[in-house]
Amino acid sequence: GENVEQHPSTLSVQEGDSAVIKCTYSDSASNYFPWYKQELGKGSQLIIDIRSNVGEKKDQRIAVTLNKTAKHFSLHITETQPEDSAVYFCAARTGANNLFFGTGTRLTVIP
Amino acid sequence: GAVVSQHPSRVICKSGTSVKIECRSLDFQATTMFWYRQFPKKSLMLMATSNEGSKATYEQGVEKDKFLINHASLTLSTLTVTSAHPEDSSFYICSAQDRGSTDTQYFGPGTRLTVL
Repeated sequence: GENVEQHPSTLSVQEGDSAVIKCTYSDSASNYFPWYKQELGKGSQLIIDIRSNVGEKKDQRIAVTLNKTAKHFSLHITETQPEDSAVYFCAARTGANNLFFGTGTRLTVIP
Repeated sequence: GAVVSQHPSRVICKSGTSVKIECRSLDFQATTMFWYRQFPKKSLMLMATSNEGSKATYEQGVEKDKFLINHASLTLSTLTVTSAHPEDSSFYICSAQDRGSTDTQYFGPGTRLTVL
C-alpha cells in the first residue's frame, strides 16, 4: 500500500517567517494530496489540496507544490502568524477513497 | 463550510463495557464515512470505510467484531467499541465525504476514549 513520510516532526519559526513541511509518497498511482490542520478541540480541517495534474496551488498565504517524478509534495506557509500554530498532516490518496497520512508536523510560530 | 460533529467528545468507561461514538454530517449528505484512530504522537490510521446502507470495509488488522460500524443514514455513522479494554484507549476521529465530491473528506473533532 501507500507509504507517506512527513518531515520535520516539529518546526518552530518566528512570526512573519515562512514555514515549509515536506512529504514523500511511495505509490506513483496516488492522485490526490490534501493537507490538514489539526487544532486541539477543533478536529482536522482541510486547508489546501492538490491533484496530480497540477504542479502548484496557492491560497493566500498557503501554497502546495507537487513533484510527481520525485513523488514528493510540500506545504508552504508564508508570513506566519501565531494562529498558524497547530499540527499539520499531509495525506495521499490512491484510486479509492482511502487517505494515507503522514506522521504530522507540530508547527509553533513564535510571536 | 461542511460540518461534521462527533459525540461524545470524551468518554471514560470500565473495561468490558461497550461504547458508542456517533459521527454526523450536519449540512451535507455523506454516502461514505471513514473512521480513524490516532495514537499519541502518531498519524491517523484508517480503521474502516462505511457506505450508507451497506457493510463497512475494515482495514487489515482491525477486528470487525470489536469495532462495530453502522451507517444507517446519509448523515449518521456510529462506531461501537465492544468489550472495551485499556488498549482501546485512543482518539477516534471520523470523516465524511460529501456525496457531491469525489475527494474532500471533512473531519469530525474526535472522541477521546479512556478505558479504565
